[in-house]
Amino acid sequence: AQSVTQLDSHVSVSEGTPVLLRCNYSSSYSPSLFWYVQHPNKGLQLLLKYTSAATLVKGINGFEAEFKKSETSFHLTKPSAHMSDAAEYFCVVSDLGVDSSYKLIFGSGTRLLVRP
Amino acid sequence: GAVVSQHPSWVICKSGTSVKIECRSLDFQATTMFWYRQFPKQSLMLMATSNEGSKATYEQGVEKDKFLINHASLTLSTLTVTSAHPEDSSFYICSARWGGSNQPQHFGDGTRLSIL
Repeated sequence: AQSVTQLDSHVSVSEGTPVLLRCNYSSSYSPSLFWYVQHPNKGLQLLLKYTSAATLVKGINGFEAEFKKSETSFHLTKPSAHMSDAAEYFCVVSDLGVDSSYKLIFGSGTRLLVRP
Repeated sequence: GAVVSQHPSWVICKSGTSVKIECRSLDFQATTMFWYRQFPKQSLMLMATSNEGSKATYEQGVEKDKFLINHASLTLSTLTVTSAHPEDSSFYICSARWGGSNQPQHFGDGTRLSIL
């Protein structure tokens, strides 16, 4: 079965500095990987997805992620943090379930704090 | 595009009552809808997957008689929490997907359910 590990439960950065949210996955085949963001008491918004095309994936709001098979990583980055980026971020892998349907497997989440 | 509307956003009710939550895809036809549960400061847990016109597939440990799911059309799925008790209090989030497994899920804003 697929799984994802988000290495940091909390990340704190200053506004205007780079953001790095780390994610490692385990997979027995070529995975589909996603990053979602969740603001308080809200649902999840898709930031970007990787589905075996370009390894560097650009998403919304200036975020991007790079798929590195050799490192089984899919880290999320942004060159310059904005106060509005403060939220919970989930790394997600698509997994084939026992009933042959695809399900999303969520990481434990990383809370991004942005200091003024 | 790809907007999912979830209603109500917040509900408080007495123990023993049943609560219905609606999930609608507003600008696309959702061949598959998903229901998740999220406890405070935790990740999302998939409860069930439903395809339009067929019975929902429940994850292990989720009581199908407790959490009734109906997916009668390509734009609407409902989750009914029957005879709700305080332990059912949680944040419930639906998502909808059009097409195959490599397509992203689009999430509603969630429903906070509080059982007194």
